[in-house]
Amino acid sequence: EAQVTQNPRYLITVTGKKLTVTCSQNMNHEYMSWYRQDPGLGLRQIYYSMNVEVTDKGDVPEGYKVSRKEKRNFPLILESPSPNQTSLYFCASSLWPSPVEQFFGPGTRLTVL
Amino acid sequence: DAKTTQPPSMDCAEGRAANLPCNHSTISGNEYVYWYRQIHSQGPQYIIHGLKNNETNEMASLIITEDRKSSTLILPHATLRDTAVYYCIVGSSNTGKLIFGQGTTLQVKP
Repeated sequence: EAQVTQNPRYLITVTGKKLTVTCSQNMNHEYMSWYRQDPGLGLRQIYYSMNVEVTDKGDVPEGYKVSRKEKRNFPLILESPSPNQTSLYFCASSLWPSPVEQFFGPGTRLTVL
Repeated sequence: DAKTTQPPSMDCAEGRAANLPCNHSTISGNEYVYWYRQIHSQGPQYIIHGLKNNETNEMASLIITEDRKSSTLILPHATLRDTAVYYCIVGSSNTGKLIFGQGTTLQVKP
């Protein structure tokens, strides 16, 4: 089954404790992206990648890092999480170029205390 | 900022057509209109997209006005499972970035 998976699905952590949210897709998509969703602000893009070793900032990249060492994986790294990073996070993937249909993962709900 | 304007909420009777409007008066020539939906807090799901012509797939139809300043998503026979937030998004197929606005919450009622 074609899908985007994220782990963990739920995470409660404390300020400053480094964490990684994994994202993996099995569709051989070149393009992958991370969004965060907050009430009243909609979904906002954090980082995206158009292929292996090619990443770029989205609209809200501060406090996040990403890497794209393999085509299927695009982990999101929070080196020193803060409470304002409490959010619902989605990973997405699509073909590139012409990324018309993006496939989203199930989401990771992160709480930073 | 989102380039689209949608009503915040709509109701539809089960089995009837749901017509969701979207205004995108500043759309430029190479920008597409995309529709996604989000059920509860699940990941958004792609529905349909179009450039100029009307489009139809197994989920929905997309009607784009001739001047491309507005469009309507049509769910021909709405079911309770179509209750969701529907997002109309305008963007270039060259960037991959989707700018989600607040969307329309569609409530399908029995």
